[in-house]
Amino acid sequence: DGGITQSPKYLFRKEGQNVTLSCEQNLNHDAMYWYRQDPGQGLRLIYYSQIVNDFQKGDIAEGYSVSREKKESFPLTVTSAQKNPTAFYLCASRRQGRVGELFFGEGSRLTVL
Amino acid sequence: QQQVKQSPQSLIVQKGGISIINCAYENTAFDYFPWYQQFPGKGPALLIAIRPDVSEKKEGRFTISFNKSAKQFSLHIMDSQPGDSATYFCAASMGETSGSRLTFGEGTQLTVNP
Repeated sequence: DGGITQSPKYLFRKEGQNVTLSCEQNLNHDAMYWYRQDPGQGLRLIYYSQIVNDFQKGDIAEGYSVSREKKESFPLTVTSAQKNPTAFYLCASRRQGRVGELFFGEGSRLTVL
Repeated sequence: QQQVKQSPQSLIVQKGGISIINCAYENTAFDYFPWYQQFPGKGPALLIAIRPDVSEKKEGRFTISFNKSAKQFSLHIMDSQPGDSATYFCAASMGETSGSRLTFGEGTQLTVNP
């Protein structure tokens, strides 16, 4: 079955540590996105990528980094510079031409202790 | 800057009733308006969407009403069922050249009582 796989589902981190969240899709979609979800704030865009080896900052990119070396993969690193990293992180993908139609993974919940 | 505002924050409806969620946007460059449904612990899933050249779109029990001049759109869920209990997000998107970035509203937590 085609879909988006995010891992790990739950992650605990100590302050000052970097952590990388994995996102893999086998939908053959060109575009991939990372959103952060906090209670009462909806989903906010962190980074997105429309093609391999290219990505753009979203609205809240500070303290995060990404790479897009393969079409299927779009990992997100939450660095120690991110001041409030505890959140639910959602990865999504989209087929070219299907504007606004995102397929989301099941998310990764990061808790900083 | 919040570009899509959604209300209410939470909504409780009896089974069989009508659920109505409202959204307003600011940027007239938006040209696609989807609604997403999210169950606890899951990612959002596309429910229904509309383009600004259409005033209404219906899919089963779900209807989007769109008012371009007022820059508002709403989701109506007819004959609401307990299985509809979820968080609903409205969103707005610009075209492919802008990366089809979605701007989401804050979300509405819908509870349908049996």
